[in-house]
Amino acid sequence: EAGVAQSPRYKIIEKRQSVAFWCNPISGHATLYWYQQILGQGPKLLIQFQNNGVVDDSQLPKDRFSAERLKGVDSTLKIQPAKLEDSAVYLCASSLAPFNEQFFGPGTRLTVL
Amino acid sequence: ILNVEQSPQSLHVQEGDSTNFTCSFPSSNFYALHWYRWETAKSPEALFVMTLNGDEKKKGRISATLNTKEGYSYLYIKGSQPEDSATYLCASKEGAGSYQLTFGKGTKLSVIP
Repeated sequence: EAGVAQSPRYKIIEKRQSVAFWCNPISGHATLYWYQQILGQGPKLLIQFQNNGVVDDSQLPKDRFSAERLKGVDSTLKIQPAKLEDSAVYLCASSLAPFNEQFFGPGTRLTVL
Repeated sequence: ILNVEQSPQSLHVQEGDSTNFTCSFPSSNFYALHWYRWETAKSPEALFVMTLNGDEKKKGRISATLNTKEGYSYLYIKGSQPEDSATYLCASKEGAGSYQLTFGKGTKLSVIP
């Protein structure tokens, strides 16, 4: 069974630029999560989708971050414009349902200069 | 938002030594406790999901215990090997109505050959 795929694996941008990350969850997983892991901290949930609907985006900085999962499969997370403090690893995870085990992708390491 | 604490933040052990780490979490409204292993440049890998007070789980040389009344879990590694070097994350999920996993900051283990 293929795991959660993410791209790119690494991205370096300058502040005020825009960036987008892509996630392809495990086939059949209805629930998809985006986490932000800043160095020295634990992963923090940014947004959770159930199929193509948003379940929880309470910790998503909506002035600059956006995410979508249009067909209930792949998802993109965008930052526009990026700030220095957005430097982090962005992890995507998926699960069959909200209370099932979450499977993680390898993450995208973003560096904002 | 829960407060999940892990200790120590990091540790170095010699190959063959046994070691353990602690995860503490709010005991009220507890639902589940997850342990993950995260090796550099790889996806976080689920080790255990624990729900019942007194639960003990084992996977090879790694085991975990859970005390939901006092709000802590221990992860043990017996006879550490260099391939055990990773960051070990715990995450707590509260109540049946919450979707969110709250992660600790992790314990970074380095096993010296």
